[in-house]
Amino acid sequence: DAGVIQSPRHEVTEMGQEVTLRCKPISGHNSLFWYRQTMMRGLELLIYFNNNVPIDDSGMPEDRFSAKMPNASFSTLKIQPSEPRDSAVYFCASRPGGHGYTFGSGTRLTVV
Amino acid sequence: RKEVEQDPGPFNVPEGATVAFNCTYSNSASQSFFWYRQDCRKEPKLLMSVYSSGNEDGRFTAQLNRASQYISLLIRDSKLSDSATYLCVVDRAGGYNKLIFGAGTRLAVHP
Repeated sequence: DAGVIQSPRHEVTEMGQEVTLRCKPISGHNSLFWYRQTMMRGLELLIYFNNNVPIDDSGMPEDRFSAKMPNASFSTLKIQPSEPRDSAVYFCASRPGGHGYTFGSGTRLTVV
Repeated sequence: RKEVEQDPGPFNVPEGATVAFNCTYSNSASQSFFWYRQDCRKEPKLLMSVYSSGNEDGRFTAQLNRASQYISLLIRDSKLSDSATYLCVVDRAGGYNKLIFGAGTRLAVHP
């Protein structure tokens, strides 16, 4: 089992550019979650999917953020346009209902 | 009030010490509870689930007090490798498997 796979591991971009983060959940896990982690705010849940359907996106900071899950094996989180305050580590996690999450290694985003 | 609250620490303890972390949660309908461990610049990893009757995994013991909405983690015989941040995690009752993470308690074990 390869675990939850995220790409890229690191991303440095200029303010105003579009950023796309990618996630491949563990096969068979029916829930997928996007989190953001900063020193100030800790781990914040942005959005989660159940069986590829977005269930709750109330944590998405603003309209610049969007997430999709076109199939059970792939999800994207897009920021357009990016801003310096979006700099954080973005984690994707998947879960087979009723158990703890498995996290990917995260994408460290720096917006300059 | 935060949904899950933890003392941020840091807890600085010598090797071999016993250390306990506490956590409180606000949603009395929560059903699932976990402790996660996060090393510096790494992803959180599941340490153990927490069951109503309390449970033990080697040097680690987790307890749940539903009446007080309180969770604890006890680490016995601390090792240098236990140095990390420990995250208390609670499900947000209402289904769909959504977990809420506390801000974490930092532990530093020194020789």
